[in-house]
Amino acid sequence: GIQVEQSPPDLILQEGANSTLRCNFSDSVNNLQWFHQNPWGQLINLFYIPSGTKQNGRLSATTVATERYSLLYISSSQTTDSGVYFCAPEGGYSSASKIIFGSGTRLSIRP
Amino acid sequence: DAGVTQSPTHLIKTRGQQVTLRCSPKSGHDTVSWYQQALGQGPQFIFQYYEEEERQRGNFPDRFSGHQFPNYSSELNVNALLLGDSALYLCASSSSRGLTSYEQYFGPGTRLTVT
Repeated sequence: GIQVEQSPPDLILQEGANSTLRCNFSDSVNNLQWFHQNPWGQLINLFYIPSGTKQNGRLSATTVATERYSLLYISSSQTTDSGVYFCAPEGGYSSASKIIFGSGTRLSIRP
Repeated sequence: DAGVTQSPTHLIKTRGQQVTLRCSPKSGHDTVSWYQQALGQGPQFIFQYYEEEERQRGNFPDRFSGHQFPNYSSELNVNALLLGDSALYLCASSSSRGLTSYEQYFGPGTRLTVT
């Protein structure tokens, strides 16, 4: 099955800083999602981005499927951005309909 | 529009017991997936239900079983509970077209503690 690697595993930043989170995956994918898990465990959808670039406010994401990676950009960080960010690609035809989560990037934003 | 709902929120069971967790999908969704998330790890795929059948399964033993009802809601059953089954159990719903399911939306989870 697909292997997913996220980096960095941990990131500590001051409020207002920018950051880039990376997700590498080992095989072709049909789809890819980015999630933010808040301290209460709720997974919040950020982006559904099998390819290309999308932006939503201070967040944007880019997936380059041919090179098997995706990036999540967070600009002007706020303390509410703290939490764990997961990349979750969905496999190709041989493993259809199953999304695989990376181990996440734990982001801590200091006031 | 109600999102994905799960019940119960928390549950404490004893080793060897059985547990049933419930999930109602987001309106308009026909596919339900279940995940187990141990502390400090990413969610692990258990299985997915579509048209009342198990369509995909992860690397979980047969003690984990499920069901999908005609209204698309789903149950996850775990038999002969082990201490290692303690985790956050997440349900996600999506729409399917062919073998591909689209954007998944997660419920708040059920936190299971096995003592």
